[in-house]
Amino acid sequence: QKEVEQDPGPLSVPEGAIVSLNCTYSNSAFQYFMWYRQYSRKGPELLMYTYSSGNKEDGRFTAQVDKSSKYISLFIRDSQPSDSATYLCAMWTGGGNKLTFGTGTQLKVEL
Amino acid sequence: NAGVTQTPKFRILKIGQSMTLQCTQDMNHNYMYWYRQDPGMGLKLIYYSVGAGITDKGEVPNGYNVSRSTTEDFPLRLELAAPSQTSVYFCASGGGDGEKLFFGSGTQLSVL
Repeated sequence: QKEVEQDPGPLSVPEGAIVSLNCTYSNSAFQYFMWYRQYSRKGPELLMYTYSSGNKEDGRFTAQVDKSSKYISLFIRDSQPSDSATYLCAMWTGGGNKLTFGTGTQLKVEL
Repeated sequence: NAGVTQTPKFRILKIGQSMTLQCTQDMNHNYMYWYRQDPGMGLKLIYYSVGAGITDKGEVPNGYNVSRSTTEDFPLRLELAAPSQTSVYFCASGGGDGEKLFFGSGTQLSVL
């Protein structure tokens, strides 16, 4: 079993839709949870960063962490074509020097 | 701001050739990383460094070598290239602050 599981998609939605992207994990030591966005032929860039459980909102983006279920989500409201990208979840225990990444979900927002 | 700069952007190698992928960061980060990304496989850590003179293996280090003589530079060396090393390579750096990483734009490598 992989430490972090993420549905690879592709996920195609119409412009304006609410998008839900998810990851599950097995290591209960993860404390820090991140979402990276990766446009085609570019490096990943940090989108959202949360510590422990709860919600964090930044504009149209909301990151949600449920440690009891070992489940994290990224919600995108009023999705735009510019949101079309691959979204990678990433997790860190708070010790050591390495992140564990999900495989990424490819999202396409269509006009 | 330059951030993390990788060169070259594209390269084709023949089996058995060697090359060095260059990575430079201007954010004075102590932590630097090399990842490879294959379709549907996510990011796999090859090597990382926590400071000048200190390097360590990641998940998939075989066939690669690194050095870290300065804070800014973290080159990745491929010796005796093999088709299995065809991939997109990303360099990243971080200040150690909860592992927020900054990535370069990648090097697409094909070994034929």
